[in-house]
Amino acid sequence: EDKVVQSPLSLVVHEGDTVTLNCSYEVTNFRSLLWYKQEKKAPTFLFMLTSSGIEKKSGRLSSILDKKELFSILNITATQTGDSAVYLCGLGGSQGNLIFGKGTKLSVKP
Amino acid sequence: DAGITQSPRHKVTETGTPVTLRCHQTENHRYMYWYRQDPGHGLRLIHYSYGVKDTDKGEVSDGYSVSRSKTEDFLLTLESATSSQTSVYFCAISTGPGNEQFFGPGTRLTVL
Repeated sequence: EDKVVQSPLSLVVHEGDTVTLNCSYEVTNFRSLLWYKQEKKAPTFLFMLTSSGIEKKSGRLSSILDKKELFSILNITATQTGDSAVYLCGLGGSQGNLIFGKGTKLSVKP
Repeated sequence: DAGITQSPRHKVTETGTPVTLRCHQTENHRYMYWYRQDPGHGLRLIHYSYGVKDTDKGEVSDGYSVSRSKTEDFLLTLESATSSQTSVYFCAISTGPGNEQFFGPGTRLTVL
């Protein structure tokens, strides 16, 4: 059964800190792994990682995929209060859907 | 932002009544999905569609049915709502399996 586990479930940091969010997975047939940010509304897309694209970066956010060890990390450097959100990791499932982890709630204090 | 709308955005209903939620897209994406989001469970797939009149069940499909008669519209029906179906419902669209999904604004449903 395809499965996604995110850790930690919650995290509190101060502005300027660097954070690393973890996503480990089990999958029969890997298609993709996606990261989303959710701020009390709909999830918004951040990154998609595939066999041909195992590293992505956008500004202060970056993500890598380790297909051998079956995990991905999302890094946020120089955190800001606007980074406070729930970060979701989704695994491309066999039905074309995404199988989501429970998310990591990040709180950035001023 | 991807052109996805959901209606209604909020609904309060009583146990046993039928409820239909609508998802409308203007992106002409082939795949459409219905998820529910609950505390402690995250996002879970209810049903999905891979084309007009082509639908299939997801992880938590019991008590729900769907229909897709046009590319742009995907309807989710609760035939007889129960309190356990109180949740936030998100529609999502995608060009294909494993590709990025774009989410609608969500519908908050409360079943009393």
